[in-house]
Amino acid sequence: SQQGEEDPQALSIQEGENATMNCSYKTSINNLQWYRQNSGRGLVHLILIRSNEREKHSGRLRVTLDTSKKSSSLLITASRAADTASYFCATVVQGAQKLVFGQGTRLTINP
Amino acid sequence: DGGITQSPKYLFRKEGQNVTLSCEQNLNHDAMYWYRQDPGQGLRLIYYSQIVNDFQKGDIAEGYSVSREKKESFPLTVTSAQKNPTAFYLCASGIPGRFTDTQYFGPGTRLTVL
Repeated sequence: SQQGEEDPQALSIQEGENATMNCSYKTSINNLQWYRQNSGRGLVHLILIRSNEREKHSGRLRVTLDTSKKSSSLLITASRAADTASYFCATVVQGAQKLVFGQGTRLTINP
Repeated sequence: DGGITQSPKYLFRKEGQNVTLSCEQNLNHDAMYWYRQDPGQGLRLIYYSQIVNDFQKGDIAEGYSVSREKKESFPLTVTSAQKNPTAFYLCASGIPGRFTDTQYFGPGTRLTVL
């Protein structure tokens, strides 16, 4: 089963609204990362949060991490049409040398 | 202009044929990775390499092979033993380490079996 599970699987909102996506994972992690994928393209790294951090900001992105609940959330504020993409969380499991990806949230921003 | 490139963008294969997907990076990264992505799904790790002349199987290595003769290159061969190879293949590179496992992705190769 997947280490990371995103929720919801799909999200459709109006431009200007905020979008929140959640990620849950199963085992202890070193860090958690969020990536964006535009349709038919490669993934682009957005933000990394370490296991000893609780919140991180980057521009319109805000990521939180709750290690007690094994969950993270990605908030995109003031959404734009260009934010339409799939968003994946990925975890670096302690002791492993690889990223494990969730199945993604497909975000659609309606103009 | 630094980055990671994959070729070809689209690839068509007849059943029973082996095909090789190219991945090149000029980011001076030690680690390189191959992932498979099926429609509406996340990424699954096929093979990865932390250093030249060394590589490890990922979660779905059966039917695939790789080589890592140069730091810049990590080609993936999809063999005839892979029964369902139609998918989107993504190559990535990174700097392996405990807290710096950010990966940089190429644009992908879409493989279709005819």
